Amino acid sequence: EIVLTQSPGTLSLSPGERATLSCRASQSVSSSYLAWYQQKPGQAPRLLIYGASSRATGIPDRFSGSGSGTDFTLTISRLEPEDFAVYYCQQYGSSRTFGQGTKLEIK
Amino acid sequence: EVQLVESGGGLVQPGGSLRLSCAASGFTFSSYDMHWVRQATGKGLEWVSAIGTAGDTYYPGSVKGRFTISRENAKNSLYLQMNSLRAGDTAVYYCARVIMPTGAFDIWGQGTMVTVSS
Repeated sequence: EIVLTQSPGTLSLSPGERATLSCRASQSVSSSYLAWYQQKPGQAPRLLIYGASSRATGIPDRFSGSGSGTDFTLTISRLEPEDFAVYYCQQYGSSRTFGQGTKLEIK
Repeated sequence: EVQLVESGGGLVQPGGSLRLSCAASGFTFSSYDMHWVRQATGKGLEWVSAIGTAGDTYYPGSVKGRFTISRENAKNSLYLQMNSLRAGDTAVYYCARVIMPTGAFDIWGQGTMVTVSS
């Protein structure tokens, strides 16, 4: 099973700042089958990024994904108030596993 | 509108059974792989099961042999039969659609709560 480790566990930033979230896999994720989701309290997760770097429909371009192999990054270029949430990475190249999440909170 | 709506959650005793349903609308249900994902309160996401368009099924070790995923395309419905339930199965259960060919989950239901407790 591929284990995904997200860092940091909590990220405290202010609106307008840049956020960089990391997701590291215990083994290579094939064909960049890596996705990022956003989840707000009481809501289902929302797909942000698939294939490591492709934005899902309707996702603002301040969200971007990068990486390959075992190291992946989600970047939010300028934080908006609605971006404060929990973010999960997921791999779907070998079975399916999620990272433990990064909580992005307002500083 | 593309939508998934789960139902069937509730309180069940350890060792009991429960069947969850997921009603799909707004898209051609039979053309999509479908999955169940769960989330214990305050915890992360855990993949529970998958079913392909041909009816092929997949499970992680934590539920294999206890849970059964199925689909009824004529009714645009997905199911999860859960047997031998344990306290550790307590969670919100989401059904989710896979966007092809990427494999990511692009549409999620609102979730249904399952509580296993005596």
